[in-house]
Amino acid sequence: GAGVSQSPSNKVTEKGKDVELRCDPISGHTALYWYRQSLGQGLEFLIYFQGNSAPDKSGLPSDRFSAERTGGSVSTLTIQRTQQEDSAVYLCASSLARLSRGYGYTFGSGTRLTVV
Amino acid sequence: TQLLEQSPQFLSIQEGENLTVYCNSSSVFSSLQWYRQEPGEGPVLLVTVVTGGEVKKLKRLTFQFGDARKDSSLHITAAQPGDTGLYLCAGVRGTGNQFYFGTGTSLTVIP
Repeated sequence: GAGVSQSPSNKVTEKGKDVELRCDPISGHTALYWYRQSLGQGLEFLIYFQGNSAPDKSGLPSDRFSAERTGGSVSTLTIQRTQQEDSAVYLCASSLARLSRGYGYTFGSGTRLTVV
Repeated sequence: TQLLEQSPQFLSIQEGENLTVYCNSSSVFSSLQWYRQEPGEGPVLLVTVVTGGEVKKLKRLTFQFGDARKDSSLHITAAQPGDTGLYLCAGVRGTGNQFYFGTGTSLTVIP
């Protein structure tokens, strides 16, 4: 597609339930990132996928968070047993390559997750 | 502790005024980018700077990368209501896998 597509755009879930967030990156972009944006917290790196390499999971806040990328394209971020502190906007971005000089991210519009 | 600190955090100015937003760190970055984000949308890339001392202009926006590649500034001339948004700087260290984002500057331009 022309841009990075994320779904759903909004998700309200009950505490303790599992949620799945989907990201469809720009065709041909080999790198895919998940960030979390909380009010007053800025953008927090979660996970990075590059081609067939092992993902960089160093930003995942707990073992309740996991992500996968199938076929080098679509990615799913899963949050198990959601907590209220998981409420945030989850942003997906893709890039042409590793962060070589000059390449930037193209972000999706995000999924606003509210845990009640 | 944020790797990149932006100032000011909030800025409200009248249309036609000039402004400068600062992005500072004690770390060296191999490249630095500026993004603008509007409500309900993801950040949109404005510019990338990679060389210490580099200055780039985008219409009324001027971006500068510090000589030591630890800081950057964004200057807007004759601000317009369409400039309203959240401005974010982001830097990558060495050959790292991620951009570190700044704390953000929320700009409101009043008509």
